[in-house]
Order: sequence, then C-alpha cells, then structure tokens
Amino acid sequence: ETGVTQTPRHLVMGMTNKKSLKCEQHLGHNAMYWYKQSAKKPLELMFVYNFKEQTENNSVPSRFSPECPNSSHLFLHLHTLQPEDSALYLCASSQVASGSTDTQYFGPGTRLTVL
Amino acid sequence: RKEVEQDPGPFNVPEGATVAFNCTYSNSASQSFFWYRQDCRKEPKLLMSVYSSGNEDGRFTAQLNRASQYISLLIRDSKLSDSATYLCAVNFLSGSNYQLIWGAGTKLIIKP
Repeated sequence: ETGVTQTPRHLVMGMTNKKSLKCEQHLGHNAMYWYKQSAKKPLELMFVYNFKEQTENNSVPSRFSPECPNSSHLFLHLHTLQPEDSALYLCASSQVASGSTDTQYFGPGTRLTVL
Repeated sequence: RKEVEQDPGPFNVPEGATVAFNCTYSNSASQSFFWYRQDCRKEPKLLMSVYSSGNEDGRFTAQLNRASQYISLLIRDSKLSDSATYLCAVNFLSGSNYQLIWGAGTKLIIKP
C-alpha cells in the first residue's frame, strides 16, 4: 500500500541535531496531519493542515516545526529535541479536515530515537 | 475522565472464539466513530466506521450506544491474524472544526 508514504522509517538523532521528517500522500486528499504515538498512550494530534493552511497546533513545543508546501506533502522539521520526544511519528491524510465523517489514512510512521 | 477510554487488555482469546470490547466516550455531541487496528510497530489501519447504530463487515460488528456513550467491537470466529491492538477514535465538533480523539487501544491476542 502506498497511499501515504513517510521517510525516513527510522531515525536516531542527538539532541543538537537538526533533521526533517517527510510525508507524501497519493490519495488526492486536502488535509494532512502529524501525530505522535508513545508506548501505551493514545495518539496525540500535533498539527493539522487543511488545503495547505495550518488549522491546528496542539500546543506543540517550538522544537517541532511543520511545513506544508502543497496538499500532497508535509514535513516536520526537528531541532534540539529531548529524549522524551522519542516516539513513533505518524502522518495521516483525509479528504478534508472539517468533515464529520472524514476518515484518516496513515503512513507507516517514522520511529524516532533521541539520544 | 478521559475523553475516549478503552480497556488496555490484553484480551487472551482462543482461536475460533467470539470476543467483544468497548470504547466509552465523554462528549455526547460526538458525530462519528471509528475502529482501527494497529499491528505491532505498524501504522493504524481503518477497520470500520460507525455513523448510526452500527455496522457489520464479515466477522466484525461495531455497535453504537448513544445513550450510554460507548461503541463496541465484536469479532466472531476469531483468527490468529486478528491479534493486534484495536484503536477507537471519536469525531466531534470543536468550535468550527471536527476533531478526532483517540483511545489508547485494546490489545487482543488470539491463541491457537
């Protein structure tokens, strides 16, 4: 399945590094999302983009910086992360971000480890 | 109270048995409901959507109880491949946008 792709799949970085996560969706959707998934916790919504405009920033620390150049691509720029930021970062897309019946489809995720 | 709650399990069930688990939600204005399955170290994948009283797809049945504010997932004739974590998601209106709130998941282990 290649509806939503994410790179890299695994990333190990030091606290002083700068890296970026990439997400691409091939479903013709207009909304894209970044989630953080930590062990035994619910998915935490980080950012929402609807038609390239950011519509949700769920009190995410500024060391995470999203970028959405078009409806098909979404980036998450990382800098000066903390070890507690280690988690699975999932990208998702849906038709629109404001529909009551909107279904989200996920990419395979990037497993991030911060040393 | 958490917005969406699930029993974390694990539910250990013999192959061929029927298993059911619930997901409770706190917002009575919730509009739509979803069950996703997530295999170990993989992404969540949509299993079923529930918009009215329920939905059935083969061995899987999802039911919505608005009065008691929960949705259930029933799996009949369980297979080894059904072993996974089942995530519940609830969509509700927040301001002018809909938000999807997730439960932490119920782990299911089907044993031969």
